[in-house]
Amino acid sequence: LAKTTQPISMDSYEGQEVNITCSHNNIATNDYITWYQQFPSQGPRFIIQGYKTKVTNEVASLFIPADRKSSTLSLPRVSLSDTAVYYCLVRDTGRRALTFGSGTRLQVQP
Amino acid sequence: DAGVTQSPTHLIKTRGQQVTLRCSPKSGHDTVSWYQQALGQGPQFIFQYYEEEERQRGNFPDRFSGHQFPNYSSELNVNALLLGDSALYLCASSLRTSGPDETQYFGPGTRLLVL
Repeated sequence: LAKTTQPISMDSYEGQEVNITCSHNNIATNDYITWYQQFPSQGPRFIIQGYKTKVTNEVASLFIPADRKSSTLSLPRVSLSDTAVYYCLVRDTGRRALTFGSGTRLQVQP
Repeated sequence: DAGVTQSPTHLIKTRGQQVTLRCSPKSGHDTVSWYQQALGQGPQFIFQYYEEEERQRGNFPDRFSGHQFPNYSSELNVNALLLGDSALYLCASSLRTSGPDETQYFGPGTRLLVL
């Protein structure tokens, strides 16, 4: 099964850039890697997804190296409202089951 | 455009009982996935339905079963409830594509408490 690893928590200040890395092995060769944000007692909210290299949208960037064994979510200039848990989601190459990372709790302080 | 909706929002059951949770996918989506999220943990994939059939399944016992209806809505059934089944149950919908970029959109979840 795909195994994913994320830092348990990170602290930042408003206006800083935050990078969260998810390590993942045994992921499906041709599937995208997706990142979600989750607030307490809510469903995960889609942030960004990509296959390789770099993807950017209006809220984040995603960096995926050529070996696809990790991915890094980059949040530019975080604000207090970015305090949440961030998850990567990958698909296992064998059983094709979808696997969430363990989640990274980001705390943004003023 | 309605997003993914789930019902009920909260539910309390006792051990041994059975429960049914419901999900309506985002408009235009045809695939529904179910996840279990225990307190303080990441969501765990239960199974995925497409064209009214279970297509993929995670590491969950047969007590967990589901159904998808012709209008793409879905139900999750859990039999013989255990205390450990207490969790937030999340439904996600997506549009099946021939490529790898199928994006899942999540509902708000159903909080199940088993006493």
